Amino acid sequence: DAKTTQPNSMESNEEEPVHLPCNHSTISGTDYIHWYRQLPSQGPEYVIHGLTSNVNNRMASLAIAEDRKSSTLILHRATLRDAAVYYCILMYNNNDMRFGAGTRLTVKP
Amino acid sequence: GAGVSQSPSNKVTEKGKDVELRCDPISGHTALYWYRQSLGQGLEFLIYFQGNSAPDKSGLPSDRFSAERTGGSVSTLTIQRTQQEDSAVYLCASSLHGGGRGVEQYFGPGTRLTVT
Repeated sequence: DAKTTQPNSMESNEEEPVHLPCNHSTISGTDYIHWYRQLPSQGPEYVIHGLTSNVNNRMASLAIAEDRKSSTLILHRATLRDAAVYYCILMYNNNDMRFGAGTRLTVKP
Repeated sequence: GAGVSQSPSNKVTEKGKDVELRCDPISGHTALYWYRQSLGQGLEFLIYFQGNSAPDKSGLPSDRFSAERTGGSVSTLTIQRTQQEDSAVYLCASSLHGGGRGVEQYFGPGTRLTVT
């Protein structure tokens, strides 16, 4: 099974960009890369997803390495409300998402 | 519009009792998923429904766990003879379509189950 590796925690200052890395060296050619985040006491929230090309939406950008073995979620200006656990997930089989431990992002004012 | 709702929000039960957890997906969403999250852990996939059928039950941890979905809408997760290790937050999600790999899932707020 393809797995992802993320740092346990990261810190950022408010209004600065944040780059959250994810390694997925065993990714297969048809795996999509999804990012979700989970705020305290809430269910996960979809952030962004992509396959090969970089993606942008209102929440974030996703930069995917050319060999697809890694990706980076970019929050362009962190706010206090972005403090959450961020999960990088590979979708490979009928929507069966396997969540890892994720990266706990702390945003300092 | 209304999101995914789950009930109850909290459930405390005695070891050995059966519990039912309910999920109301977003109207029109054909796919529905159950996950559970133990304290401080990531999410663990339990089961996936496409319409009323469950093509993937691989995540159910034991035969004490079962789930059904009726009318392509509401789903119920049943845990029989609850054990203390069943204590967790049970999360439900739905998506517009199933079977694809680029599909966004919308999560409910979860049901916190405590088995005493």
